[in-house]
Amino acid sequence: GNSVTQMEGPVTLSEEAFLTINCTYTATGYPSLFWYVQYPGEGLQLLLKATKADDKGSNKGFEATYRKETTSFHLEKGSVQVSDSAVYFCALLQGGSEKLVFGKGTKLTVNP
Amino acid sequence: DAGVTQSPTHLIKTRGQQVTLRCSPKSGHDTVSWYQQALGQGPQFIFQYYEEEERQRGNFPDRFSGHQFPNYSSELNVNALLLGDSALYLCASSFLGQGSPLHFGNGTRLTVT
Repeated sequence: GNSVTQMEGPVTLSEEAFLTINCTYTATGYPSLFWYVQYPGEGLQLLLKATKADDKGSNKGFEATYRKETTSFHLEKGSVQVSDSAVYFCALLQGGSEKLVFGKGTKLTVNP
Repeated sequence: DAGVTQSPTHLIKTRGQQVTLRCSPKSGHDTVSWYQQALGQGPQFIFQYYEEEERQRGNFPDRFSGHQFPNYSSELNVNALLLGDSALYLCASSFLGQGSPLHFGNGTRLTVT
């Protein structure tokens, strides 16, 4: 079946550090890929998405590139801020399905 | 423009009881999906409703049931509660069809004692 694997957290960085959160997936065909962010006490917000191979999703300084050859969708940001502290979820949507499959999440803490 | 709203925000129930959670979708959305998020885990898909019918279902027992009303709002019902049902229950709304992003509510925190 479809699955998403994220790097284990938590991740702790200093402000302005470079961020990478690894995400790999298992799926048939060509799923759409997503990163969602969950701030404390809130629901999930869509951060970025990519719908086909080699697409790059970007938003708020975050980027992720859909790599079919490595079945990966790693999240990156060049300079993190304290306000980026949250839990980040990688997810996939299989074609023909309305069901999002999520990874376990990676908690990011950014210290001033 | 209100986003997805869920009620109640917190709930405490006893094993064996039944619970009903409610969700109002974002204005203009016609599809509601429910997810269960256990502590420290990613959300797991329970089911999706469109035109008042269950359209797709995840790997959850029949104790979990739902309903969608003509105004697109939805309820999630869980019968015969187990301790393992303790979780954050998230409602998400969208337009039906690929590519329409899900908008999530802030969830209902259910604790079963």
